[in-house]
Amino acid sequence: DIQMTQSPSSLSASVGDRVTITCRASQGISNYLAWFQQKPGKAPKSLIYAASSLQSGVPSKFSGSGSGTDFTLTISNLQPEDFATYYCQQYNSYPWTFGQGTKVEIK
Amino acid sequence: EVQLVESGGGLVQPGGSLRLSCAASGFTFSSYEMNWVRQAPGKGLEWVSYISSSGSTIYYADSVKGRFTISRDNAKNSLYLQMNSLRAEDTAVYYCARVGHYDILTADVWGQGTTVTVSS
Repeated sequence: DIQMTQSPSSLSASVGDRVTITCRASQGISNYLAWFQQKPGKAPKSLIYAASSLQSGVPSKFSGSGSGTDFTLTISNLQPEDFATYYCQQYNSYPWTFGQGTKVEIK
Repeated sequence: EVQLVESGGGLVQPGGSLRLSCAASGFTFSSYEMNWVRQAPGKGLEWVSYISSSGSTIYYADSVKGRFTISRDNAKNSLYLQMNSLRAEDTAVYYCARVGHYDILTADVWGQGTTVTVSS
């Protein structure tokens, strides 16, 4: 199975900040990488697919990059509604595997 | 509106069985591959099972292989997960997730989840 490792596990940021989360795959996955946002008690929400493509309706403050084994999610101009847990996921092959999550908290 | 609604969760004793359902609406269900993903309390997301649009191809996580069965009824726009020989470690919120079309080959729509608790 492909292992996905996110860093950091958590971070504190202020409204208006720009934050970056990294995700590393244990083997090359081309650009088959997605990002999800999850708020407490809610279902995950799809943000990005193919490493850098925004899902429909997702604001451009979210951006993704990377290919192969190293990927990043950047959130610009953090707003209160952006404080959540973010997961990366590889879909290069089954079993799908997810990173352990990065909790973005208010400083 | 595209929507997935899970049901069937509840409290069950270890060794027991439960059948989860996922009702799809707002899209042509028969054209989409589907997955089940779960999340144990306070933990991350774990993929459980996949089924192709026709039902002819199925995959399972090693942790549930031989105990869980995924199926679908395209005439009823429904996805199912039959869970047998349940263990405490199967306690989780279970989500159904649609696999997108074209270049969106991963989950693009999620249900709200249904909670399964395995405890005596």
